[in-house]
Order: sequence, then C-alpha cells, then structure tokens
Amino acid sequence: DGGITQSPKYLFRKEGQNVTLSCEQNLNHDAMYWYRQDPGQGLRLIYYSQIVNDFQKGDIAEGYSVSREKKESFPLTVTSAQKNPTAFYLCASSIGVTSTDTQYFGPGTRLTVL
Amino acid sequence: AQSVAQPEDQVNVAEGNPLTVKCTYSVSGNPYLFWYVQYPNRGLQFLLKYITGDNLVKGSYGFEAEFNKSQTSFHLKKPSALVSDSALYFCAVRPRFSGGYNKLIFGAGTRLAVHP
Repeated sequence: DGGITQSPKYLFRKEGQNVTLSCEQNLNHDAMYWYRQDPGQGLRLIYYSQIVNDFQKGDIAEGYSVSREKKESFPLTVTSAQKNPTAFYLCASSIGVTSTDTQYFGPGTRLTVL
Repeated sequence: AQSVAQPEDQVNVAEGNPLTVKCTYSVSGNPYLFWYVQYPNRGLQFLLKYITGDNLVKGSYGFEAEFNKSQTSFHLKKPSALVSDSALYFCAVRPRFSGGYNKLIFGAGTRLAVHP
C-alpha cells in the first residue's frame, strides 16, 4: 500500500447523499485509477486519469464523478444516482500508461449505504 | 469478450506443501499478465508480472508463476506454503492493445487457505 493513501477507511452514507472518497499518492505517478470491488467479483474500473486535468470513464462510470486538479490527488464522488454504492473502493496509480507499467493500489475505502 | 478465469473459488493447502492457484485467460494477442494478493480489508499488493522472456516468473514472498502460451494460463505457485500466505489472490491481464490506457482485466479471485 505504500505511497498511496485513501481516506476514510470506512464511510457510511444515507441514501440520497453524495460522498467523496479521497486518494492521494506521493509516487509521482502520472496515471491514477478508481476500481470498485464487490464480493465474488473481480475489480471493475470506474474512472481513470492519464494526466492532470484529464480523465476518462471506465466500465462502470454511471453514478460516479472524479476530478484531477493535481497530479497527486484523484478524488471520487459517489453521487445519489449510483443505485448500489455499497462496495469496497480501491484507488491505484501507475508511472504512466505504458502497457507494462504496474498498477499499485491504496488500502481502500469501504462504503456502506444505510 | 476478453476475460480472465480463476476456476477455483478456494484452494486449501497444508502448511509446508506446495500450492498452485490457477488462472486462464481469453484475451487476443499476447497480453501481459499480473498476480496480486489482498489481505482482509486491505488494498491489492503486487506480486509479479509476465512481460516477455522466461516462462517462469519469480516474484515477492517466494511466489512464482508459470506462463503457458498454448494453454493461455498463468498459474501462481509456491514450493512451500505458509499460514501467512492465506489471502485472496487475483490474476489480471493487460491486453497489448487496449485503446491507449493501462487497462487491467481482473479474475474474480481465489481464496487461499493454508492450514497449520
């Protein structure tokens, strides 16, 4: 997990509320990613960013939004439009987007909708 | 569709015995292959990757993986399992051509339980 921090570790949200998950990295990586993990499933890509001020939708972007105003930060907002937001959210980063670059992961945030 | 299969939901091994966690993939071309491990309520830790060259790749914590092109497999192995190896293991595949970004396709994960 070193070099990538996510906060909070646990987050509880009432239905209809937006919440923002924090992801910070000090690895000087250009690329950052958000994944969602559900029990018994692999990770699914929500959004990714290859460079500051640029980001692209992944496979399950509906109901989520991101920003990338600084190289080291890539916050994820889970909006009220996300129908089933309870999940474990993982942030990752890589040096760049070259095909052999390894993605490194943060410790995750567990979001529960009450 | 491109996919990664980890055919076993759980693998049980006695401590000291060799372990194998299986991974097969259906991805066109010659993809790059990765293994990650996840401990409870933690993020994924990188174990090893295959890019090119020797089919046997060595990684962290004594793990290794064998790439078999004809069987499109990338099985994770360790000669002698430890109780501390008990965790969730993910295989991931990176297509060589995926629209310009570092796209990883993950398997569903295999839970490894090592018994004393």
